[in-house]
Amino acid sequence: ETGVTQTPRHLVMGMTNKKSLKCEQHLGHNAMYWYKQSAKKPLELMFVYSLEERVENNSVPSRFSPECPNSSHLFLHLHTLQPEDSALYLCASSQNKGDTQYFGPGTRLTVL
Amino acid sequence: GIQVEQSPPDLILQEGANSTLRCNFSDSVNNLQWFHQNPWGQLINLFYIPSGTKQNGRLSATTVATERYSLLYISSSQTTDSGVYFCAVGTGANNLFFGTGTRLTVIP
Repeated sequence: ETGVTQTPRHLVMGMTNKKSLKCEQHLGHNAMYWYKQSAKKPLELMFVYSLEERVENNSVPSRFSPECPNSSHLFLHLHTLQPEDSALYLCASSQNKGDTQYFGPGTRLTVL
Repeated sequence: GIQVEQSPPDLILQEGANSTLRCNFSDSVNNLQWFHQNPWGQLINLFYIPSGTKQNGRLSATTVATERYSLLYISSSQTTDSGVYFCAVGTGANNLFFGTGTRLTVIP
């Protein structure tokens, strides 16, 4: 148990569906992150939020839309995804940006 | 970004054996973390070690920042040590760059 939870743990969706991934951290951290992990590739940073403000967007397609309503919650809204978006999506948090990161268990996403 | 190379990519050990995993990085860093990802995908922090040596039970790590590498030592390996070990590095308040990992399989 790292103090970071993610739901759902598994998700199967069609290309025309809309779904959301949720991340919650119970550590009192100020920074939260979304990563994508595809087979045989390093973890790819998608978004960074610091004090609820998006500070980085690493050229992620607009079909991924993050939302950080408060410092404890982070969402990733998904719409019109492609099969190549199938991956493990990991959320992490840290005290401040650049500090030690703690990861959630991930959501394994399959796009049909 | 910073390039991170891990070796070996795959490692198979008999239970009880020792191993050393290596992480090379291309630039000066002041943040280096080792993670273990279990078969269910959970990433667990092992060490925050931008320099020096740390030990935690059967695991220890050493980072030689001036030579841009870090080593993770696993002694008396157990089947529960199986999974993928990642090294990640960063500078200041910048983001972490991950290596492609070492996949460790410990067989009974």
